[in-house]
Amino acid sequence: IQMTQSPSSLSASVGDRVTITCRASQSISSYLNWYQQKLGKAPKLLIYAASSLQSGVPSRFSGRGSGTDFTLTISSLQPEDFATYSCQQSYSTPYTFGQGTKLEIK
Amino acid sequence: QVQLVESGGGAVQPGRSLRLSCAASGFTFSYYGMHWVRQAPGKGLEWVAVISYDGSNKYYAESVKGRFTISSDHSKNTLYLQMNSLRAEDTAVYYCAKSAWGSSGNFDYWGQGTLITVSS
Repeated sequence: IQMTQSPSSLSASVGDRVTITCRASQSISSYLNWYQQKLGKAPKLLIYAASSLQSGVPSRFSGRGSGTDFTLTISSLQPEDFATYSCQQSYSTPYTFGQGTKLEIK
Repeated sequence: QVQLVESGGGAVQPGRSLRLSCAASGFTFSYYGMHWVRQAPGKGLEWVAVISYDGSNKYYAESVKGRFTISSDHSKNTLYLQMNSLRAEDTAVYYCAKSAWGSSGNFDYWGQGTLITVSS
């Protein structure tokens, strides 16, 4: 299953609302996860099952979608949110990731 | 607290072998599936392999099938990845990761990663 994210990069300012899109090449129901990765660090699980917030993740992060189309929204960007975000399907092996969206400071 | 600590990385020539280890603590190792995920320099994440909570099921990415073997030792709470016939394209940071529940295909804890460089 191929996962395609858009955009590949995004420039935004603190306080902005941003949305990242992820599309699966076939239906994956709600088996969609979002990760945040900062430079030189391991990824961190933000959202699982398309819309469930992982414990400890701020509520400004939210996820939506099912089937083939999904979104990750950050409601009000904070300085610590500038990172790379990747979607991942856990519907079937081989589990696959999107190519990542790099969120940069404008 | 959950900790995953990888070891065994380094530089290796093409065609050679290497074994990675991932020492787990802070959770009941035998209750969860475990994964290896890699990231080539400047590239995205690539899932490599999974072993189910009881070791009965193992699945691999096509890119490593037949060359890599995932295993675990529940007495040592340790995950392994035996990598044979290494290629330049296997160069990456390798992370071990814990299934979020059971043997699920999402990952709630990750190690710090260990770098493998395959080069002559």
